[in-house]
Amino acid sequence: GAGVSQSPRYKVAKRGQDVALRCDPISGHVSLFWYQQALGQGPEFLTYFQNEAQLDKSGLPSDRFFAERPEGSVSTLKIQRTQQEDSAVYLCASSRTGNQPQHFGDGTRLSIL
Amino acid sequence: KNEVEQSPQNLTAQEGEFITINCSYSVGISALHWLQQHPGGGIVSLFMLSSGKKKHGRLIATINIQEKHSSLHITASHPRDSAVYICAVSRANDMRFGAGTRLTVKP
Repeated sequence: GAGVSQSPRYKVAKRGQDVALRCDPISGHVSLFWYQQALGQGPEFLTYFQNEAQLDKSGLPSDRFFAERPEGSVSTLKIQRTQQEDSAVYLCASSRTGNQPQHFGDGTRLSIL
Repeated sequence: KNEVEQSPQNLTAQEGEFITINCSYSVGISALHWLQQHPGGGIVSLFMLSSGKKKHGRLIATINIQEKHSSLHITASHPRDSAVYICAVSRANDMRFGAGTRLTVKP
């Protein structure tokens, strides 16, 4: 596709359930980023991949959050035992390299009931 | 204190007005980004700059590295410019974002 694709677009889950969010970056983009955006706030960095290597996961809020990019293309952000405070928009972005402009997906809006 | 501060938080303008949004940051950066976010979440990168000034259509972005300050200007504003404008700074492996400026341009 022409841009970064995220799925699902919306996800509603009950507290305690596990969720998986998918990101398809632009083909050939080496760098992939995940961000969390709470309502009315700017995005906050979660984690960064260069190809399949997760180089920085300092933004992941707890060990319930896990991200992977096993083949250096598609990435999945998994949240285990979801809690209400996990409700947010999760944005994925990719770039050719770490210092190039990032292209953002439309995000996944996660609501935890 | 946030690493990236934007002002104003909200801005309402009449069509045709000249608009300025300011951004200050407190960390070392490799580049500064101006992003536009429309309702529904989609984010578009407007500018990426590390020095000087860039212009694209009616949009102008400037950065002063010594003062750690950047401005985004919109000339001849139009209702379709209504969006949230986010300043972000990139470092080695991550980006830090401001909280955004919500711009509403009235016809």
